[in-house]
Amino acid sequence: NAGVTQTPKFRVLKTGQSMTLLCAQDMNHEYMYWYRQDPGMGLRLIHYSVGEGTTAKGEVPDGYNVSRLKKQNFLLGLESAAPSQTSVYFCASRPGLSKLAGGSQFFGPGTRLTVL
Amino acid sequence: AQKVTQAQTEISVVEKEDVTLDCVYETRDTTYYLFWYKQPPSGELVFLIRRNSFDEQNEISGRYSWNFQKSTSSFNFTITASQVVDSAVYFCALWVRAGKSTFGDGTTLTVKP
Repeated sequence: NAGVTQTPKFRVLKTGQSMTLLCAQDMNHEYMYWYRQDPGMGLRLIHYSVGEGTTAKGEVPDGYNVSRLKKQNFLLGLESAAPSQTSVYFCASRPGLSKLAGGSQFFGPGTRLTVL
Repeated sequence: AQKVTQAQTEISVVEKEDVTLDCVYETRDTTYYLFWYKQPPSGELVFLIRRNSFDEQNEISGRYSWNFQKSTSSFNFTITASQVVDSAVYFCALWVRAGKSTFGDGTTLTVKP
């Protein structure tokens, strides 16, 4: 049981390049989330998913796209990276509400992205 | 709209002092969940506690205790007899039925020996 994993752990991009961050969970969780954390700040929600095939915008969705084709995976894409997207990206998952009382939220270890 | 406010940006205490971290939240949902997370210097997020909107019982876990008051929309966190290892950034977070989540900006706690 690996929990929530994120790939890659570190990445350096040049402005305008594209990339995809992969989040995978093996806990059969319904909900998955992508956050960014800028230095000295809290986590801000980028996009989230309440189930396979669904996605929704969070607080700061511009410049990002997501897909949840499989329940266990949640992909975050940057089509044209900008220096303002330099941040640490965290993925999280949690079970549906009926099961929430029995479990807690799980976060991945984070991906440190630098855009030059 | 939902919002989480952690008014204390930074707190510095001397070891063995008690310290309380404040969290005030706003939501129109009647069913919601409140959390506290710890982020040590290593960067990972460590889950500390979860409380749902129907359970106002306070909780104590070792040196940690939490005070949830719906009347004031607050979910405060107290560390008793603080230790150097408690130094970290602490986040309060709010989750609602629709799936959205909101984090506060965090409180940086420094415990000096």
